[in-house]
Amino acid sequence: QKEVEQNSGPLSVPEGAIASLNCTYSDRGSQSFFWYRQYSGKSPELIMSIYSNGDKEDGRFTAQLNKASQYVSLLIRDSQPSDSATYLCAGRGPGSARQLTFGSGTQLTVLP
Amino acid sequence: GAGVSQSPRYKVAKRGQDVALRCDPISGHVSLFWYQQALGQGPEFLTYFQNEAQLDKSGLPSDRFFAERPEGSVSTLKIQRTQQEDSAVYLCASSPQTSTGELFFGEGSRLTVL
Repeated sequence: QKEVEQNSGPLSVPEGAIASLNCTYSDRGSQSFFWYRQYSGKSPELIMSIYSNGDKEDGRFTAQLNKASQYVSLLIRDSQPSDSATYLCAGRGPGSARQLTFGSGTQLTVLP
Repeated sequence: GAGVSQSPRYKVAKRGQDVALRCDPISGHVSLFWYQQALGQGPEFLTYFQNEAQLDKSGLPSDRFFAERPEGSVSTLKIQRTQQEDSAVYLCASSPQTSTGELFFGEGSRLTVL
């Protein structure tokens, strides 16, 4: 079992809809979580970070964390074709761990 | 300001050849990471440097993989006696602090081993 699991998709939503991306993790010691966006052939870029239970909103993006359920999600409101990309969920452990552990990514397509 | 720069962007090697991949992080960034990304997969951690010290190399898949960052800036990932399973994109990322999850990735070096 991978430490960070994501549905690989692909996920397709119409333009203007809400896209919901989900992620579960196995290490209860993981303290912080991140969503990276990766366009085809490009490198990942950070779009959201979340450290405590609850919701965190930034523009059209909302990250949700539920540590009891070991669940992280990303909602994209008013989805645009430019949001079409692979979304990578990543977790970072406690203590001296510095690296991020990434899921395999969910491919999102927003249809015009 | 320049981002993370990696070279070469593309490398084709014959099985058994040695390759060296270079990473030039953002100036002043303390932390440097190497990840390996296979097609359709997320990045897999290889190794981590804090300044010139290699603090974690637990992700290196075999002793054919070696990384260094001798002066705490530029880093080189070396793969000896390449195998077909080494074919992947090798991503370098840097971070200004040791305690943040915000990584700035380079464009990657795509290695194809024939």
